[in-house]
Amino acid sequence: GAVVSQHPSWVICKSGTSVKIECRSLDFQATTMFWYRQFPKQSLMLMATSNEGSKATYEQGVEKDKFLINHASLTLSTLTVTSAHPEDSSFYICSATPSGRGFSGANVLTFGAGSRLTVL
Amino acid sequence: SQQGEEDPQALSIQEGENATMNCSYKTSINNLQWYRQNSGRGLVHLILIRSNEREKHSGRLRVTLDTSKKSSSLLITASRAADTASYFCATDAWQGGKLIFGQGTELSVKP
Repeated sequence: GAVVSQHPSWVICKSGTSVKIECRSLDFQATTMFWYRQFPKQSLMLMATSNEGSKATYEQGVEKDKFLINHASLTLSTLTVTSAHPEDSSFYICSATPSGRGFSGANVLTFGAGSRLTVL
Repeated sequence: SQQGEEDPQALSIQEGENATMNCSYKTSINNLQWYRQNSGRGLVHLILIRSNEREKHSGRLRVTLDTSKKSSSLLITASRAADTASYFCATDAWQGGKLIFGQGTELSVKP
């Protein structure tokens, strides 16, 4: 089955530093990957859609200069939290689906295990 | 924006009992999916029901969809302690492929 690897699984950093999170599709190609953010005991909030070879599409209210997304290949997307502050502490989850939808047209996502960011 | 609302927010049952979770949404959909999340982990896809389907089964899972009421339910029969997790519905409205997740139901199954 499809596997998505996310790294690191947890990171602690000082305020003002930048943190990069990687999301890799291990056994399939993903034209599109999605980045979500989740606060404790809350739902997933879609941050942006990462498109291979082009700019990411950000959801309303998400600062694109704060959360830099790069999708340089069909198997790798990265999220960089720039100049991190304590309010950026959260659980970040990436997801992907094989390029193109299935014959049924359904967009079933495979999720990474998530990255817990703590900014001191 | 998050369009799904789920109830209950939390559910605690005994092993062997059935667990029912509900999800409501606001816009027209192509399909509705249910995902499970263990604490501190990513989500795992459980089941998908298309907009032209009314009911679907997969093992101990039963999903219903009522597009006229814009609602869905997930039933887990004969629950086990290992079913303890958060369950989210997600709607796919062909908005560039992105899924919008509901608020989730936190299920606790006591042995």
